[in-house]
Amino acid sequence: QLLLQESGPGLVKPSETLSLTCTVSGGSIMTTDYYWAWVRQSPGKGLEWIGYVYYGGTILYNPSLRSRVTISEDTSKNQFFLELTSVTAADTAVYYCAGQPSWFDPWGQGILVTVSS
Amino acid sequence: ETVVTQSPATLSMSPGERATLSCGTSQSVDSSLAWYQQKAGQAPRLLIYAASTRATGVPARFSGGGSASEFTLTINSLQSEDFAVYFCQQYHTWPYTFGQGTKLEIK
Repeated sequence: QLLLQESGPGLVKPSETLSLTCTVSGGSIMTTDYYWAWVRQSPGKGLEWIGYVYYGGTILYNPSLRSRVTISEDTSKNQFFLELTSVTAADTAVYYCAGQPSWFDPWGQGILVTVSS
Repeated sequence: ETVVTQSPATLSMSPGERATLSCGTSQSVDSSLAWYQQKAGQAPRLLIYAASTRATGVPARFSGGGSASEFTLTINSLQSEDFAVYFCQQYHTWPYTFGQGTKLEIK
């Protein structure tokens, strides 16, 4: 059974960089079965797809965040990562990592990240 | 960007009734539509993909229908555990987009 778990700081200061890790267990991220995605959820904007990384290095970002987002992977650790630069209060959200065959399944439990000084 | 619109925002139903939730897209997504259920404090759970295919372990009382730009999620004989928020999501066109959700509440 594929399980995903987010980790990282729950509080980030404005203008700094949000960095999260997703650890995948129960399967390898070196697969063509899934894109490895980040999705966030905030009261103001609902659910928002951030981007994904795919085996072999294909990466795709939501145009609305492209200038600030980097998604990467470490296949040796079976992890993938999210970096979001120059954060503001509008980036406060629950961040989920997910496997994305096309739809999103499975999901991690989510991590609340608050942007505040 | 494909805009996804759900209606109604809130649906008040009683246990045992049938609920019908609607999802529309601003352009055709063929059958590239998924439905999710989300309970408070939990991640979304996949219910339906390809507009009408139930995900593994999803009870048969959940059914999805529609194509192109109009879709429905029907829940027959509502159980207490079905009262939650439901989202639809299109994966036909990047960027992938979600609806704002329908809250199914107990009447």
